Amino acid sequence: KNEVEQSPQNLTAQEGEFITINCSYSVGISALHWLQQHPGGGIVSLFMLSSGKKKHGRLIATINIQEKHSSLHITASHPRDSAVYICAVRNYGGSQGNLIFGKGTKLSVKP
Amino acid sequence: NAGVTQTPKFQVLKTGQSMTLQCAQDMNHEYMSWYRQDPGMGLRLIHYSVGAGITDQGEVPNGYNVSRSTTEDFPLRLLSAAPSQTSVYFCASSYTFTGSNYGYTFGSGTRLTVV
Repeated sequence: KNEVEQSPQNLTAQEGEFITINCSYSVGISALHWLQQHPGGGIVSLFMLSSGKKKHGRLIATINIQEKHSSLHITASHPRDSAVYICAVRNYGGSQGNLIFGKGTKLSVKP
Repeated sequence: NAGVTQTPKFQVLKTGQSMTLQCAQDMNHEYMSWYRQDPGMGLRLIHYSVGAGITDQGEVPNGYNVSRSTTEDFPLRLLSAAPSQTSVYFCASSYTFTGSNYGYTFGSGTRLTVV
């Protein structure tokens, strides 16, 4: 079983829809990261969370430490949001500090 | 501009050739790391460094070497390229290794094909 699981793997939405991407993890963490990778490959950090909720523009990220679960929400989705969204956790033990990545959720927003 | 610079962006190698992927950051970040990204898999850690002169292996280190002689640079060397090393490689850095309050900055990636 992967230590970081994302769902869904693929998501197609119509422009304007509210989108939720989920991330569950099985290890102790010091922080959780949400990353965005556009076609063409560059990876950009969207959020880093250790508790609660963060908001940036139309993006909202939440984390529930007790349930080991995080969600990334996109309100009023737009075709430019089309990308792969990657959840990664910063491991609390073992190779402390290194990220463990989910496989990503590929989002396609149609106009 | 501050950030992580990776070169080259694209590379084709023949089996058995060696090469070095360059990674440089100008943010005085303590922690640097190399990942490979393969279809259907999450990014996997190859090697990492928590400071100049200190490196350690990640999940998939075989066939790769690293060194960290300065804070800024963290090159990844392929010793004898194999088709299994065809992948997209990312370098990333963070201000500190153990702190939970610092994000990661990623390079733009190197697409490597070994034929």
